[in-house]
Amino acid sequence: AQRVTQPEKLLSVFKGAPVELKCNYSYSGSPELFWYVQYSRQRLQLLLRHISRESIKGFTADLNKGETSFHLKKPFAQEEDSAMYYCALASSGGYQKVTFGIGTKLQVIP
Amino acid sequence: SAVISQKPSRDICQRGTSLTIQCQVDSQVTMMFWYRQQPGQSLTLIATANQGSEATYESGFVIDKFPISRPNLTFSTLTVSNMSPEDSSIYLCSVEGQSDEQYFGPGTRLTVT
Repeated sequence: AQRVTQPEKLLSVFKGAPVELKCNYSYSGSPELFWYVQYSRQRLQLLLRHISRESIKGFTADLNKGETSFHLKKPFAQEEDSAMYYCALASSGGYQKVTFGIGTKLQVIP
Repeated sequence: SAVISQKPSRDICQRGTSLTIQCQVDSQVTMMFWYRQQPGQSLTLIATANQGSEATYESGFVIDKFPISRPNLTFSTLTVSNMSPEDSSIYLCSVEGQSDEQYFGPGTRLTVT
């Protein structure tokens, strides 16, 4: 069974402080991992995916297979980063299933 | 990326009734997905809807409770049948992108009284 754990439901940081949103996963195969974000009154949208190794809006996430983690990081938080963040795992193979974490609400304090 | 719309955006329904949620995509897609997000919970996949075949339901979800239609490659409906207050949730449809990412509709917020 695949599982995604986000240990923090709420993370509050001051503007300009570093941010790290934690995500751990459990999956026996080779995982595809994503971070999704939902800003206030907007729909859930893709932020980044591990396979592209990109930086979006200053956020990066590195897949650590040894620690089964995919933490989301940003060196300097901005007020506009305040949102719900969901880590998600897509199974590989013919039938793909996506499992979401419970989400972490990031609150950036001005 | 795909643009997805859902109707209704929200509804308040009485227990025992049924509600049908519509999902429209601006491009043809093979699979459409229906999720439920209960208050304070994560997104849970209800079923995968392929055009021309029966939907595939996840454990804990059954066709009698959540019948799904997929009449063409751009449209799907999810019905929540014989509703109870426990069905109060946000229901989301999504489609898959080329790199296995998901594109979501705006969601339907259902309250059952």
